[in-house]
Amino acid sequence: AQTVTQSQPEMSVQEAETVTLSCTYDTSENNYYLFWYKQPPSRQMILVIRQEAYKQQNATENRFSVNFQKAAKSFSLKISDSQLGDTAMYFCAFMKPITQGGSEKLVFGKGTKLTVNP
Amino acid sequence: EAGVAQSPRYKIIEKRQSVAFWCNPISGHATLYWYQQILGQGPKLLIQFQNNGVVDDSQLPKDRFSAERLKGVDSTLKIQPAKLEDSAVYLCASSLPPGQGKTEAFFGQGTRLTVV
Repeated sequence: AQTVTQSQPEMSVQEAETVTLSCTYDTSENNYYLFWYKQPPSRQMILVIRQEAYKQQNATENRFSVNFQKAAKSFSLKISDSQLGDTAMYFCAFMKPITQGGSEKLVFGKGTKLTVNP
Repeated sequence: EAGVAQSPRYKIIEKRQSVAFWCNPISGHATLYWYQQILGQGPKLLIQFQNNGVVDDSQLPKDRFSAERLKGVDSTLKIQPAKLEDSAVYLCASSLPPGQGKTEAFFGQGTRLTVV
């Protein structure tokens, strides 16, 4: 079974600075997807960034980028130029593509609470 | 494009009572998920539907939880009878069928259940 570990329960950063959130995962699959979701106090999960395991190039979305290390099974999120609106819970998640008899289950880590201070 | 709709947003019930949650996925999304998110934890999958068939319900406490997805669109999740430990946020999510478009799940705003 796949597991996702986020070792930082809470982090804080000053506005405009850069912060990196850590995530490791365990799987025997070779092809899979990794995601970072943001959950503000409104509770709605919002996709921040996704990475396909077969792609060597790290994904980027504006101020958000990942450092994907497939061999180390590591998937960290870097937030540049942090903004007050980035304050939220951040969840790392793993999904394996559907296979015969399987399902596209999305497995989450426990989350990291990020606070951006003015 | 309309997102995933869930209702109610909040619900408070006494233990041993029953409760139902409703979810309307994004139009065209064949896959629907129900997740339970206990305070301070990440979401845990309860059940996954592909159209109106169950794909995975291995972590659904079937003695008290049930879910259905009639006609492969809307879904309801029911708890009967509720226990104190069922207090959580219940999230519904949907995604396109496998192989169609980007692999991504879209979430509703969730229902916060408090059992007293």
